[in-house]
Amino acid sequence: EVQLVETGGGLIQPGGSLRLSCAASGFTVSSNYMSWVRQAPGKGLEWVSVIYSGGSTYYADSVKGRFTISRDNSKNTLYLQMNSLRAEDTAVYYCARNPLSRGLHYLYFDLWGRGTLVTVSS
Amino acid sequence: QSALTQPASVSGSPGQSITISCTGTSSDVGGYNYVSWYQQHPGKAPKLMIYDVSKRPSGVSNRFSGSKSGNTASLTISGLQAEDEADYYCSSYTSSSTWVFGGGTKLTVL
Repeated sequence: EVQLVETGGGLIQPGGSLRLSCAASGFTVSSNYMSWVRQAPGKGLEWVSVIYSGGSTYYADSVKGRFTISRDNSKNTLYLQMNSLRAEDTAVYYCARNPLSRGLHYLYFDLWGRGTLVTVSS
Repeated sequence: QSALTQPASVSGSPGQSITISCTGTSSDVGGYNYVSWYQQHPGKAPKLMIYDVSKRPSGVSNRFSGSKSGNTASLTISGLQAEDEADYYCSSYTSSSTWVFGGGTKLTVL
């Protein structure tokens, strides 16, 4: 089955660090563009970061310098290392896939995980 | 990286049609035909409804359609049904090799 499963969320104090994981099955993470998208409680979706198939990474201004996206090809898993966490980082974090078909990368998100909740609070 | 602008809410009666707008800039919506739309029910992950401005994924009802003019994209839902009640988000690829979402629109089926 093609799916994404996020883990690693929880309650963390301001200034702390957390690493989220997104395990993929049914496709190869390293072949696709993969993103993290978050949603604060009662708020809208916010794009956070992408890792392209070639390894380039990009971040939203709100997390630049604090978050790092990476992947482990042997585990077919995407990660988000979050440092210097703030209250405003509290959100459900989703990983999402850009589809790859016949060698073409598409610039929309066709597969989403169920998300993992990160709560930053003292 | 400002969010795309969507109306906070829209409503319609069963059988009617509604349109949700999504306004960006020439660096995102206006610059690329890479606008997508997502439906999200409470407590659920977003679901892709429209991609590349007007294309429908397999399995999505043809009651959903998309279009774009200049810096504004639109999602139209015809023949409204109770199960269409949800939050809808637009998204666009940007000139910075990133993505941006709209603030979301709550659709109420009266």
